[in-house]
Amino acid sequence: DGGITQSPKYLFRKEGQNVTLSCEQNLNHDAMYWYRQDPGQGLRLIYYSQIVNDFQKGDIAEGYSVSREKKESFPLTVTSAQKNPTAFYLCASSPGVGTEAFFGQGTRLTVV
Amino acid sequence: GENVEQHPSTLSVQEGDSAVIKCTYSDSASNYFPWYKQELGKGPQLIIDIRSNVGEKKDQRIAVTLNKTAKHFSLHITETQPEDSAVYFCAALAWGGTSYGKLTFGQGTILTVHP
Repeated sequence: DGGITQSPKYLFRKEGQNVTLSCEQNLNHDAMYWYRQDPGQGLRLIYYSQIVNDFQKGDIAEGYSVSREKKESFPLTVTSAQKNPTAFYLCASSPGVGTEAFFGQGTRLTVV
Repeated sequence: GENVEQHPSTLSVQEGDSAVIKCTYSDSASNYFPWYKQELGKGPQLIIDIRSNVGEKKDQRIAVTLNKTAKHFSLHITETQPEDSAVYFCAALAWGGTSYGKLTFGQGTILTVHP
C-alpha cells in the first residue's frame, strides 16, 4: 500500500521540550516538504529537500530542523526555540520538481 | 522569494452555481501551478494543475486558467455540489534561482455550497 505516512496523528508536548515528527514515503519520490498550517494562514513552508542529504530552508525555518539521510524519510524536529509550535504539520512528497505533490494526513502538535 | 495571494478567503454559493477562485504570484520564473482541495482534518489533495506552456486546462467540472503575462491563475468549478465544500489552495512552484523546487501556497479559500 503506497503512500506517505505521518505519525503520530496527535502529539502533546510540554513547553521547552524538543519533539520530532515522522514522515515516511514508499513512493520512491525524490522531493519532500514540510508545511505548517495555522487557521486563516494557509500552508507555510518550513523546509524542503530535493534529494537525499540535501535540504533548504523554507519561509519559516526558525526553530525547526530536519534531516534527509534516507530517500524515504524526512523527519522534522520542533525545537524549544520555536516560539509558537502548536499547529497542524503537513508533510508532502513529489517525484521531482514540477510534479504533483502528495500530502500525508498531518500531525496536530499541541504544546502545553 | 515567491509570494502567492489568493482571493476570496471565503466563498458561499448555491448548489448548481459556478465558483471562481483567483490567485496571483510574484516570481515570473514559476511555471507549475497546482490546485489542492482540503477536507477537515485531512491533508490536501491535488485536483488539477497547469504548466506555464498551457493557458487553460479542464477536467470535467473543474478548469484552471493561467495568464503568465499578468501572473495570475484561476480555478473554476461549474455546477457546484455540496460535496465540493472544502478549503481550496492554489500554489506556485519556483523553477529557477535559489528557490528552485520551492512550492509556495496561497492562503486558502473556504468554499461552502448550500443545497
